[in-house]
Parts: sequence; structure tokens; C-alpha cells
Amino acid sequence: AQSVTQLDSHVSVSEGTPVLLRCNYSSSYSPSLFWYVQHPNKGLQLLLKYTSAATLVKGINGFEAEFKKSETSFHLTKPSAHMSDAAEYFCVVGRASSYKLIFGSGTRLLVRP
Amino acid sequence: SQTIHQWPATLVQPVGSPLSLECTVEGTSNPNLYWYRQAAGRGLQLLFYSVGIGQISSEVPQNLSASRPQDRQFILSSKKLLLSDSGFYLCAWNRGQDYEQYFGPGTRLTVT
Repeated sequence: AQSVTQLDSHVSVSEGTPVLLRCNYSSSYSPSLFWYVQHPNKGLQLLLKYTSAATLVKGINGFEAEFKKSETSFHLTKPSAHMSDAAEYFCVVGRASSYKLIFGSGTRLLVRP
Repeated sequence: SQTIHQWPATLVQPVGSPLSLECTVEGTSNPNLYWYRQAAGRGLQLLFYSVGIGQISSEVPQNLSASRPQDRQFILSSKKLLLSDSGFYLCAWNRGQDYEQYFGPGTRLTVT
């Protein structure tokens, strides 16, 4: 069975410093992995996706994630945080034998001025 | 391009009252459609999904039901709301062969 674990429920960074949001996955096959972002009282927006092409995936708003099979990780990074990055981030894996998604519990990113 | 709409944006309803939330998708045909609930401070829970008109699958037993009367319309209903039905309801769609889903703006439901 597939699953994702987001290792931090909250992350706090200063504006202009790097962002690292950690995600480990469990899957018995080559997974489809995603990061979504949710601003308060808004729907979820797709940041980026990994579908077995390049292991370094670039997304919107300067975010990127690296698929590391040996570590079963798919961490989300950004070189320099902006205040507008403050939101909840979800790591997601596609469920095998269906086209449904399995969501992590989310990481709330706080950006300090 | 495709867009997804949900309404209403917010709703306050008393316990025991009925519920109807609507979701429509534009710019695509025969999408898979999904209803999720997000309780305060928690992740997303898949409630229902549909692969075609009149085809509804339930992920969890509950007080809610779903219907798909038209190809791009998905409705979430309840005959009698419970306090525990409060939450943020999200509709999403994807194409039949894709994992990535596209989400609507959500409906904030408060049951009082």
C-alpha cells in the first residue's frame, strides 16, 4: 500500500532564507508524487509533480523537489522564502490501481518578516 | 482551459437541516470527480468519487450522499446535518488516465 509521511507539522523560516519541507513515501512500485499548496480558506493548487521522468522536478513560484528512491523521499525546497509562501503544503502520492490520491497530513509554513 | 466552480462559498446551517453543495467543471468532458472534506487542522478525507454520470463510489460511511446528474456536475447532499459535518468541502477533477487532480475553491460549512 502507498503512504506519505510529512515529517514536520509546522516549519518557520525568515523571509529570504531557504525552505525545506520534508516528505517520505512508501510505495511498492514507481510512484507518482505531488506537492500541493493551500492558502487559508482556498482550494489546493498543484506546485509540482514527479512521474518517473527527471528526478529533480521544478514547479511554480520557485519551488522544486527531488525524488530520491534510495531514501524514499520527496522533499520540497525553495532557495528564498517570500511572505506569500506562508500556507499549508501537502505531499501526495497516487494510489495504485486507481486514480485517487493519498494525502500527507500537511506542513504549515510560517514566514517571518 | 478548464475551470472548476463550487457554491456556495460559505454556508451556516442548523443541525438537522438539509444540505446541497454543487460543483461544476468547464472546459473538459467525462472528468473523474471527487468530493473531499477537510476538518479543522486536519488533512483531506476523500468522501466520494465518480467516473461517469450516475456512477458514485463512497469512500467512507457517513451522513452524506453524492450525485452526478450531468457529465460535469457533482452534488454533495445530506438530508439531516450533524455537528460533525462541519468542515471545508473541496471538489476536484482529473482526467481518466491522470493522477493529478485540480481543486475547486471550496465551501466552508458550519453546522450550528
